[in-house]
Amino acid sequence: EPEVTQTPSHQVTQMGQEVILRCVPISNHLYFYWYRQILGQKVEFLVSFYNNEISEKSEIFDDQFSVERPDGSNFTLKIRSTKLEDSAMYFCASSVLALNEQFFGPGTRLTVL
Amino acid sequence: GESVGLHLPTLSVQEGDNSIINCAYSNSASDYFIWYKQESGKGPQFIIDIRSNMDKRQGQRVTVLLNKTVKHLSLQIAATQPGDSAVYFCAETDSWGKFQFGAGTQVVVTP
Repeated sequence: EPEVTQTPSHQVTQMGQEVILRCVPISNHLYFYWYRQILGQKVEFLVSFYNNEISEKSEIFDDQFSVERPDGSNFTLKIRSTKLEDSAMYFCASSVLALNEQFFGPGTRLTVL
Repeated sequence: GESVGLHLPTLSVQEGDNSIINCAYSNSASDYFIWYKQESGKGPQFIIDIRSNMDKRQGQRVTVLLNKTVKHLSLQIAATQPGDSAVYFCAETDSWGKFQFGAGTQVVVTP
């Protein structure tokens, strides 16, 4: 069964460093998402992406964040200068259609020291 | 500072019984709703969705009910099994991508 994959599973970085989190969505899906979940907190929407453009973004998704689909398979989230409060699980998801079942990846645990 | 975790409500259910999990939402413009299941250490898993033009939708062992008047969503799980133990949360959107998530309910299935 096709699944969303994410790498790395765990990323440790120093405050102020740039990180890139990678996702490979399901191949025939057209809509892509990033979410984060701070430990013990609820899932928070970051950004949605369709047709090589950001469709929606939350207040969390400020200038420090960017997304890219550099080729036909990868979907990346870049945090330019990480802060301690960026420590969280970051989930990528994809769906075939807009208001449709979203398939989540296993997540990347980001730890900012 | 230290982040404080959410104190999730817990629903203890005997194996074989039915479970009902509730979710209140605040945005009256929300028109698409999803229930997710999240097991410890894993990503959310889609269970069932419903659009605002419906008030009930059934899946395999699950039923979602939507009451737009009081902005309430519920998930019913029939014949709860040990594998149903997880955190369940709802998500809503009034656009096609910007979802708001609930805090969740911890379901514990006891033998």
